[in-house]
Amino acid sequence: KQEVTQIPAALSVPEGENLVLNCSFTDSAIYNLQWFRQDPGKGLTSLLLIQSSQREQTSGRLNASLDKSSGRSTLYIAASQPGDSATYLCAVSLGAYSGAGSYQLTFGKGTKLSVIP
Amino acid sequence: ETGVTQTPRHLVMGMTNKKSLKCEQHLGHNAMYWYKQSAKKPLELMFVYSLEERVENNSVPSRFSPECPNSSHLFLHLHTLQPEDSALYLCASSQEASPRGYTFGSGTRLTVV
Repeated sequence: KQEVTQIPAALSVPEGENLVLNCSFTDSAIYNLQWFRQDPGKGLTSLLLIQSSQREQTSGRLNASLDKSSGRSTLYIAASQPGDSATYLCAVSLGAYSGAGSYQLTFGKGTKLSVIP
Repeated sequence: ETGVTQTPRHLVMGMTNKKSLKCEQHLGHNAMYWYKQSAKKPLELMFVYSLEERVENNSVPSRFSPECPNSSHLFLHLHTLQPEDSALYLCASSQEASPRGYTFGSGTRLTVV
């Protein structure tokens, strides 16, 4: 059974710092890995999607890397801002679509980020 | 709006009530999902519908009953819920073999009293 772990559970940094969020997964046979952002009481917003054949993806100040063989991904946030404060969730999908269960995302518990002005 | 719309945003219901959550996607996706998010727990997959057929039921109690009348709409019918069912219920959609991944709705915050 796939398990996803995110470290740290919570992180508080001063504005302007660069930071790294970590995600690890137990089964390396993933189809893709997705990073989401969730604001309190709200739904999930997709940030970056990395296919299993890719090593990294970038969007603005965000960079996500994937090391499939070691079961790890990192989300790098450059020059953090108070507006980045949210919970960041990592999720993996096992296998390409082949029927029941293949679409499932397995989530970590998230890292709650607070950026202090 | 993300392309996946959920209603209502908030719902308070008694344990003997019957209510329904609604999800609608405008993305042309062919798979839809219900997830449950409880405090301090990872998101839990409840149901998967692919091409309007249920392909996954993750041992969810029968007091939760999904319905997918077409590829754009997904319902979650609720009856005789328990207080521990209070949570954020999230709907998502995806397109088979798409590199774009999942799109989530904003969720329904359910409180069972």
